[in-house]
Amino acid sequence: ETGVTQTPRHLVMGMTNKKSLKCEQHLGHNAMYWYKQSAKKPLELMFVYNFKEQTENNSVPSRFSPECPNSSHLFLHLHTLQPEDSALYLCASSQANRGGYEQYFGPGTRLTVT
Amino acid sequence: GQQVMQIPQYQHVQEGEDFTTYCNSSTTLSNIQWYKQRPGGHPVFLIQLVKSGEVKKQKRLTFQFGEAKKNSSLHITATQTTDVGTYFCAAIHGSSNTGKLIFGQGTTLQVKP
Repeated sequence: ETGVTQTPRHLVMGMTNKKSLKCEQHLGHNAMYWYKQSAKKPLELMFVYNFKEQTENNSVPSRFSPECPNSSHLFLHLHTLQPEDSALYLCASSQANRGGYEQYFGPGTRLTVT
Repeated sequence: GQQVMQIPQYQHVQEGEDFTTYCNSSTTLSNIQWYKQRPGGHPVFLIQLVKSGEVKKQKRLTFQFGEAKKNSSLHITATQTTDVGTYFCAAIHGSSNTGKLIFGQGTTLQVKP
């Protein structure tokens, strides 16, 4: 399954570092999403982009900054994170105007904040 | 806000036994989706239900959408070790046209061979 790719797959960063997660979808979709998945927690929606416009920001702290330069690429810029931000970060895409909205997920980035 | 409750949280079964996970909402859902996440993997879309009382089958998996469109279930007949993973239901948030899905907490299935 290579419809949605994410890099890096694993990332270890200190609390003072700045890093970025990258997502690319090859499915021709017009909506992209960032989710956070922590141990023993449901998938938490962070951001939604439709046609490159951010339509949802689910009360995410400002240390997470999304960027969507076009409908195929999505970034999540990270700075001054906390250890509790360690989680699996999943990117997804969908065709949001078709009514189905089934989402296709990337493999995720396993983030560890030390 | 809208929530989707999913039970049970964990289920251990012997291979060959059946398994069911349930999803409930206090509000009427426009549709419901089911996803499977294998250990160490990412969620993979299984199916979407839209109509009241709808029933869909995929081999040993049976998906149902309640008549009131407030609940759904996934039933696996004669589980196999390949069924291991976490099953999530997800619903579109209200009248959202942005594809914002609300996920249930997931049911983690363990199958003993």
